[in-house]
Formats: sequence, C-alpha cells, structure tokens
Amino acid sequence: DAKTTQPPSMDCAEGRAANLPCNHSTISGNEYVYWYRQIHSQGPQYIIHGLKNNETNEMASLIITEDRKSSTLILPHATLRDTAVYYCIVRRNNTNAGKSTFGDGTTLTVKP
Amino acid sequence: DADVTQTPRNRITKTGKRIMLECSQTKGHDRMYWYRQDPGLGLRLIYYSFDVKDINKGEISDGYSVSRQAQAKFSLSLESAIPNQTALYFCATSDWKPGQGNVEQFFGPGTRLTVL
Repeated sequence: DAKTTQPPSMDCAEGRAANLPCNHSTISGNEYVYWYRQIHSQGPQYIIHGLKNNETNEMASLIITEDRKSSTLILPHATLRDTAVYYCIVRRNNTNAGKSTFGDGTTLTVKP
Repeated sequence: DADVTQTPRNRITKTGKRIMLECSQTKGHDRMYWYRQDPGLGLRLIYYSFDVKDINKGEISDGYSVSRQAQAKFSLSLESAIPNQTALYFCATSDWKPGQGNVEQFFGPGTRLTVL
C-alpha cells in the first residue's frame, strides 16, 4: 500500500472549516484514500473514503486531486469535539484489503 | 452494547509473564486485526486474520502470537512480556465481499498494557 505524508499538527478556530492535507504521491490506480480519526486514546473511527471523485457525508468532505497524488479532508464547521488525531491511509480494496498500518497522522486542535 | 469489545481494558504485569488480550465482536465480520500504538505515534499492525483458518503476520509480529478461536474471537498473546511492549493495543474488524467498495475497519476501545 502507498505511503502517506501528513503535517504533524494543525489548529483551527471553532466554527471555521478545517482543511487537513495528505500527500500520497505513490498511490496506485486501484488504491483508495481513507480517513480515520482518533479522539484521545479511543479506537480510531472511520470518517470517509474515496477513489478519485470528491466525496461528502454527514461528517466531512474529501477532495482528491485529479492526479490523485494528494487529498484534503474538510470538516466544514469544526467544533471542539473535532479535536483529534486524523489519519490518512491509502489501500487497495481487494482480497488483501484492510491490512493497513496507520502513520502518525495530524493532530487537529480546535480552539474556541 | 459495543460491537467490538476488548478485555482487559487495563493491565499491569511484570517482565517475563505471559499475557493474553482478548477481543470479541458481534458484527459478524470475517476479518480481525491486532494493532499496537506507542505514545504519540500511529497504529502498527501486529497480526491479522481473514477467517478462522487464516492467520497472517503484520508489520511487528515478533514477540506476539495470536489465536482465532471462532469468527467472533481473536486473542493476542505475549508469551514473555518485556517493558518495550508497554503500549495501547487495539483490536479491529472489517467485512469484505467481492465488488464491495468500502473496507471500513471498526475498532475496539483498546487495552492499555504496562510491563514493569
């Protein structure tokens, strides 16, 4: 699975959009981009995933560049509860899918 | 009730002791995983199992063993615990079928293990 690069930390003002970048320049054509977050020391929680089209759900939006070498997770109106470590993972969805190692992620701090 | 449970939630043990961490799931998923997380770092895969008869080593399997007793149960053992195995351990499950586009993983609450 392709390796990802994320900034170690970011701050965001409460109520503003949080934009978390991820570089995955070695991504292959059959690899998806997944985002998870981990609040305090709880188990990671799935947020969203995508292949090449932009995706949106009730939690966030995922913007993937046309060359698929980078993506951005957008939390449209960040709240204090969104303070967490956000992990960007790239992996295939085939018979070997799911065995992913999480990098160090981005620690997002939402400030009042 | 939680879909993925881990026992114990906290454990303190001494060097050389054998320790077993247990994971149970009610999601009906075939795939189960054990991860380790050290302070300030991401999760690293220890072992994974795609069904009851399938066991695979992950990135950091040395010093660990696993047992998949049933579809719903996946245990992680430390045969002789050492201090650098002090960490937070997570179990996860996922489901996969041909043609399915999402392989979301569902994580348990974690077990905090301290080896003195």
